[in-house]
This record gives sequence, structure tokens and C-alpha cells, in this order.
Amino acid sequence: SAVISQKPSRDICQRGTSLTIQCQVDSQVTMMFWYRQQPGQSLTLIATANQGSEATYESGFVIDKFPISRPNLTFSTLTVSNMSPEDSSIYLCSAPSGQNTGELFFGEGSRLTVL
Amino acid sequence: GQNIDQPTEMTATEGAIVQINCTYQTSGFNGLFWYQQHAGEAPTFLSYNVLDGLEEKGRFSSFLSRSKGYSYLLLKELQMKDSASYLCAVRDGGGDMRFGAGTRLTVKP
Repeated sequence: SAVISQKPSRDICQRGTSLTIQCQVDSQVTMMFWYRQQPGQSLTLIATANQGSEATYESGFVIDKFPISRPNLTFSTLTVSNMSPEDSSIYLCSAPSGQNTGELFFGEGSRLTVL
Repeated sequence: GQNIDQPTEMTATEGAIVQINCTYQTSGFNGLFWYQQHAGEAPTFLSYNVLDGLEEKGRFSSFLSRSKGYSYLLLKELQMKDSASYLCAVRDGGGDMRFGAGTRLTVKP
């Protein structure tokens, strides 16, 4: 099973600032995924991070607000730009297991609170 | 659109059996997954179904009917540590994993 490390694990941010979340996987993976989980809710896919090409964003999420980098097969970053209190959420990085089933493994999450 | 529906909350007694249902309508289907998520933690994978029928894994079993767009997760011999949210997820035709809102299970003594 893959081990996925995220940082920061939590942060308190001021309105209007930006924060970059880092995600490191202990093995090479073709695709990495970024999810948002707002309090008491389930996971919403933000975008798929592809190595060597631009990220693919889901409806309701745009690159200017959530720029993503994927410089190699083990690392990705998600930036939450120009934050507002509505961006307070847990952001989760994930990657497929590599098994035939293709289940996702998740990082520990980054809990952001925007004041 | 895509919908994955499951009950919001369920309560059961330690030692009992509980069944958590999930119905889905997605753009394509490439497998149904169940995840467990304890409060404040990341989801962890429980089970996978891609063909119709029952998959058993210890105290947990998962069932799929593709024609009905229906799955359930069956938890036997409930333990207090099983109190968690259970997330139904479908991998759609594009390969993306879509999650239901989760069912918060409370196991009582």
C-alpha cells in the first residue's frame, strides 16, 4: 500500500492570502487526486494532477483559484489562492493503490481554517 | 448528473449486524468502493465490487447489483471501534472516484 504524506497538517490563514499544500507519495504514481472535505460532508474531487500536463479540474473548480503542480511522479502541490472563510475545509491528496482494484490511498489531510 | 445516495446516520448495538445501503447513478461504471473514515482521519479502503454479487472480507461484506445501481455494506459482530463514517464511492467512466455523502454509524453498548 502507498504511503502518502501531506503538509501542513493544519493551518490558520488570513483572508486574502494563499497557501500551498504539499503531497509526497512513497512510490511513483501516474495520477494524483485532490479532494476537499468540508465539515460534516463527504469528499468532492477538485482536480486530477497529471505528470507532464496540466491538471484536469472538476466543474466548479478553476486553475486560478486552485493551481496545481505535478513536477514528478511522486509529488504534487495544491495552492488555495486568495482565501476566504468559505475555503475552510480539509484538503486531501490521494493516489491509486497500484492494485487491480485501483482503490485510493489518502494522505492525512490538511485542515485549513480561514479567518 | 451523478448521484450517490446513502443514509446520513445509522445506529446499531455492539455485537449486532448492520447493513448500509447505497444507490448510484453515474456517468459510466468502473467499480464500487466502500471506505471507512474515523473522525479526524483520512478514509481507508474497505471493499471493492465490480461484478454483481457478494464479496466477503472478514466481518465486512459488500454486495453489488449493477442493473439496479445498488450496493450495500454489511458489518457483522459490531464492535465499538466500528463507529465511523462509511463512504460509498463509484469510479465513473472517466476513471474518477465519486463519493457519496457518507453514513455516520454509531455503535452503542
